[in-house]
Amino acid sequence: DGGITQSPKYLFRKEGQNVTLSCEQNLNHDAMYWYRQDPGQGLRLIYYSQIVNDFQKGDIAEGYSVSREKKESFPLTVTSAQKNPTAFYLCASSTTGYASPLHFGNGTRLTVT
Amino acid sequence: AQKVTQAQTEISVVEKEDVTLDCVYETRDTTYYLFWYKQPPSGELVFLIRRNSFDEQNEISGRYSWNFQKSTSSFNFTITASQVVDSAVYFCALGVSGSARQLTFGSGTQLTVLP
Repeated sequence: DGGITQSPKYLFRKEGQNVTLSCEQNLNHDAMYWYRQDPGQGLRLIYYSQIVNDFQKGDIAEGYSVSREKKESFPLTVTSAQKNPTAFYLCASSTTGYASPLHFGNGTRLTVT
Repeated sequence: AQKVTQAQTEISVVEKEDVTLDCVYETRDTTYYLFWYKQPPSGELVFLIRRNSFDEQNEISGRYSWNFQKSTSSFNFTITASQVVDSAVYFCALGVSGSARQLTFGSGTQLTVLP
């Protein structure tokens, strides 16, 4: 079955360490997205990519970095510059266009202590 | 700029009750889409419905129904005869034409259906 795989489901890191969250999709979607979810704040867009080797900052890109070397992969690195990295991170993909529904992965819960 | 407001943070109902989740949106664009997503405890958001700005027909799908009213900028979601499995966080979202950034999400409504 087609879908989006995020790994790991839970991730623990010490403050000051960079950490990379994996996102792989086999839906043949061109567009991929990273969202951050905090309690009571809905989903906030971190980065998005509409095509391989191209990506744009979302609303809260500071302290994060991404790459899009392959169509099916869009890893997110949470750097030590991110002041409050503990959150639930969701990866999504879609065909291009504002009318296209997003398909989401199961998310990664990152805890930084 | 776009904005989506879900004023109900949490709702609790008893099984078999009907429940309506409110969604109010703001946009200056005349061409846009509205979405509802469900997030069960597993964490994955599941797409429920999409409605475009030119189609104000209400839609019913089983126990789910949606009421879209451009006059009040609202896109409300009703669950009839709620079930425990309906317990989840529900998100309303807005996508506007020409925006490659995709959706603006509301803050979500946590629905708890008690047995």
